[in-house]
Amino acid sequence: QVQLQESGPGLVRPSETLSLTCTVSGDSINTHYFSWIRQSPGKGLEWVGYVYYSGTTNSNPSLKSRLTLSIDTSKNQFSLKLNSVTAADTAIYYCARHSGGAALDYWGQGTLVTVSS
Amino acid sequence: DIQMTQSPSSVSASVGDRVTITCRASQESSSWVSWYQQRPGTAPKLLIYAGFTMESGVPSRFSGSASGTDFTLTINNLQPEDFATYYCQQANSFPWTFGQGTKVEIK
Repeated sequence: QVQLQESGPGLVRPSETLSLTCTVSGDSINTHYFSWIRQSPGKGLEWVGYVYYSGTTNSNPSLKSRLTLSIDTSKNQFSLKLNSVTAADTAIYYCARHSGGAALDYWGQGTLVTVSS
Repeated sequence: DIQMTQSPSSVSASVGDRVTITCRASQESSSWVSWYQQRPGTAPKLLIYAGFTMESGVPSRFSGSASGTDFTLTINNLQPEDFATYYCQQANSFPWTFGQGTKVEIK
């Protein structure tokens, strides 16, 4: 059974870097694309970016200048780093797997990240 | 970016009703549109992909259709577990974008 689990700090100070990791179990990370999605009350669901085992990434232009996506195939994990965060980055962050139908078929449970001093 | 305008934003319905939710894409594209169900406190769950293909394990009362830039999710014979928020999502071009959501509430 495929499972994804986000991990990382729940509180980040403004102007600092938000770092999250998603651990994939029940599937090899080499076989699919994986995305980050975030959800805040003000903006609904927002696609953040994707990563592939080859190291290929694609990011939402609204975040691209602050975002770094990476993957560690040896640990079956991929990660997100978002720098210079503000309160607008407060959200539940989900990791998810891409299906063959260009959809997101498996999701992590989500982790709430609050940006506050 | 392709904008997905979803309507209605909320709907009140009773068990056994049919509910229809629509997303209109801001530009013509192929049918790489998916639908998700989200219950409070949980992650979205994939229902429909590629416009009308049902994800494995999803009840047959859920169906999707596409016509031009309009994409529709229909729930027939609404069940108690279907009261949730539903989102469309386009994967025709990056950045992928979602509709604003439709909350299906109990009448």
